Amino acid sequence: GGIITQTPKFLIGQEGQKLTLKCQQNFNHDTMYWYRQDSGKGLRLIYYSITENDLQKGDLSEGYDASREKKSSFSLTVTSAQKNEMAVFLCASSIGTAGNTLYFGEGSRLIVV
Amino acid sequence: GEQVEQRPPHLSVREGDSAIIICTYTDSATAYFSWYKQEAGAGLQLLMSVLSNVDRKEEQGLTVLLNKKDKRLSLNLTAAHPGDSAVYFCAVTHVGDNSKLIWGLGTSLVVNP
Repeated sequence: GGIITQTPKFLIGQEGQKLTLKCQQNFNHDTMYWYRQDSGKGLRLIYYSITENDLQKGDLSEGYDASREKKSSFSLTVTSAQKNEMAVFLCASSIGTAGNTLYFGEGSRLIVV
Repeated sequence: GEQVEQRPPHLSVREGDSAIIICTYTDSATAYFSWYKQEAGAGLQLLMSVLSNVDRKEEQGLTVLLNKKDKRLSLNLTAAHPGDSAVYFCAVTHVGDNSKLIWGLGTSLVVNP
């Protein structure tokens, strides 16, 4: 079986700071995703990537950058952290597109002070 | 675009009772339907998925029903136990835009001993 590893589990930063979350998967999956999870708002797609060096914007991409330099890794950068961005960020991967099972990491909680 | 409504947002049942969660969707072209479970502090895990040509699927105490006429998807946990306590999400995707799952807002289920 494979695993998705998100680092760090908790990311604490100051308002206005650029902060980066990392995600690694060893499933050899083509597609990777970054979701933001806010309490009571479900999951909102920030960015996804269907292959190495590909980036596709989701519904919530403003204020974020992403990078897929290798098939196994997908990073997300909050370009200027704001206090209303405190949420859990979930990374996921799938074999192909979303008609396949998504495998999720355990999440990274962003705390902005 | 597609909209998914999930209800109830919170559900509390006694051990051994059944728990039913319902999602309604708007797009008749929706082709893939799935249910995910999120335990506390963890990522989401696929429970079951069905394609649009399936009306009913049962696995290990879980029943998924798809009513295409009413555009309604349900998850029935028969004989729930405390280990089923978690947040449950439905997620659907429609033909032609497979890379974007549309998520319900989640149902927080508590199963009391």
